Amino acid sequence: GQQVMQIPQYQHVQEGEDFTTYCNSSTTLSNIQWYKQRPGGHPVFLIQLVKSGEVKKQKRLTFQFGEAKKNSSLHITATQTTDVGTYFCADPNTGNQFYFGTGTSLTVIP
Amino acid sequence: DAGITQSPRHKVTETGTPVTLRCHQTENHRYMYWYRQDPGHGLRLIHYSYGVKDTDKGEVSDGYSVSRSKTEDFLLTLESATSSQTSVYFCAIRMGGRGTEAFFGQGTRLTVV
Repeated sequence: GQQVMQIPQYQHVQEGEDFTTYCNSSTTLSNIQWYKQRPGGHPVFLIQLVKSGEVKKQKRLTFQFGEAKKNSSLHITATQTTDVGTYFCADPNTGNQFYFGTGTSLTVIP
Repeated sequence: DAGITQSPRHKVTETGTPVTLRCHQTENHRYMYWYRQDPGHGLRLIHYSYGVKDTDKGEVSDGYSVSRSKTEDFLLTLESATSSQTSVYFCAIRMGGRGTEAFFGQGTRLTVV
């Protein structure tokens, strides 16, 4: 089953505030993926991290892979209403299976 | 969206009736998955397939069965629907195996009354 846990489960922020979600694994990950699901939509792949300590940026989104490759974070700077949705991490290396974290639901208050 | 189509998109059914959801892909990818999504539970894997007639159980497979008789179609069947199976069901494909990303269908909202 799922070995990747995400916190927090829900987050409400004022527009313009920063947001961070964390993904923690009980085992060392080969790599980790992040997805975004808009309300009423389906999950969409954002990025994959592979290297220990890796940091990748997509505009206001910063993704980081922990040094021990057991955790990852997604940080959004100066949130906008378009950032609303649920963010999932996923471990893409569990054999033929494919498990997702529990997700963090982000609400942005205008 | 990687040519993934789920049908139906919405369905209301009665407790005890059989229901089949279909996932169709146009790109001959080997790996296909069925998830259910419920508030507070994220995406939970029901069943998956790694080839024609090759399927296996995920973490919440009780009450569900699947079939994959051809590459492009992956069917999820609820043999006797229960109210606890009211959920949004997503199909996903992966182009390769380990390390590759998943592409999702639009989802099927199933309500069991």
